[in-house]
Amino acid sequence: QLQLQESGPGLVKPSETLSLTCTVSGGSISSTSSYWGWIRQPPGKGLEWIANIYYSGTTYYNPSLESRVTVSVDTSKSQFSLKLSSVTAADTAVYYCASRQVIGYYFDYWGQGALVTV
Amino acid sequence: QSALTQAASVSGSPGQSITISCTGTSSDVGSYNLVSWYQQHPGKAPKVMIFEVSKRPSGVSNRFSGSKSGNTASLTISGLQAEDEADYYCCSYAGSSTYVFGIGTKVTVL
Repeated sequence: QLQLQESGPGLVKPSETLSLTCTVSGGSISSTSSYWGWIRQPPGKGLEWIANIYYSGTTYYNPSLESRVTVSVDTSKSQFSLKLSSVTAADTAVYYCASRQVIGYYFDYWGQGALVTV
Repeated sequence: QSALTQAASVSGSPGQSITISCTGTSSDVGSYNLVSWYQQHPGKAPKVMIFEVSKRPSGVSNRFSGSKSGNTASLTISGLQAEDEADYYCCSYAGSSTYVFGIGTKVTVL
C-alpha cells in the first residue's frame, strides 16, 4: 500500500521560504498512473489545493499561489518537494502531500500532514 | 478560482439519511463529472469517499452515494452512524489541470 510522509521545518519566519518534502514508499513515484500533489489546511479551516506534479517534472499550480510556489520531483529518492516563498501568517497550515489518480482525478493516498507555523 | 460552497453544518439522528450539497460554477462542477468527496475526522488526513461524482473506492461503505445536477453536486449518507460524524469536503476539477475544494461541512450525529 502506498504511503506518503511529509517532512520539513515546523516553524518558518515571515518573508522566508517554506520547504517541505514528501517521501513516497510502497509504490513507485515514477508510476504513470499517478500525479503527486500538495494540499494545505489552515487551522480550523478548509482544504486548499496547491499544486500537482507528474514524475516527468510537469507541474500544475493553483493560480492564486502560482507566483510563490515551486514543486519538484526527485525520482531517485522517491520524493517530491514544495517551496512556498515570501510566507506570511496566512500561510500557517497543515500541509498534506497526496497521490492523485490519473484516471478518476481524485486524491487517493494522503500523508499524515505537517503543521507549518509562520 | 473560488472555493465551492457548502453548508457549514448538517445534522441527523442515527439511521437517518442526510445530504450535503456542494455548489460551484459552470467552470468547475458544472463542466466536469470529476467531483470527489472527502471525509476528515479531527486531526486526521482526509479520506476519499466518492470520485467521479458517484463512484465509490474499494472499501467505502455503500451508505455513501453521490450525484450531480448542473452546478451542484451532492453527497448522501444513508443509515447515519456515529462514526460518520466528521467534516466533509467536495472537490472539483476546474480545468487547466487545476482543482478547487469546498469550504467543508461538519456532520453531526445527534
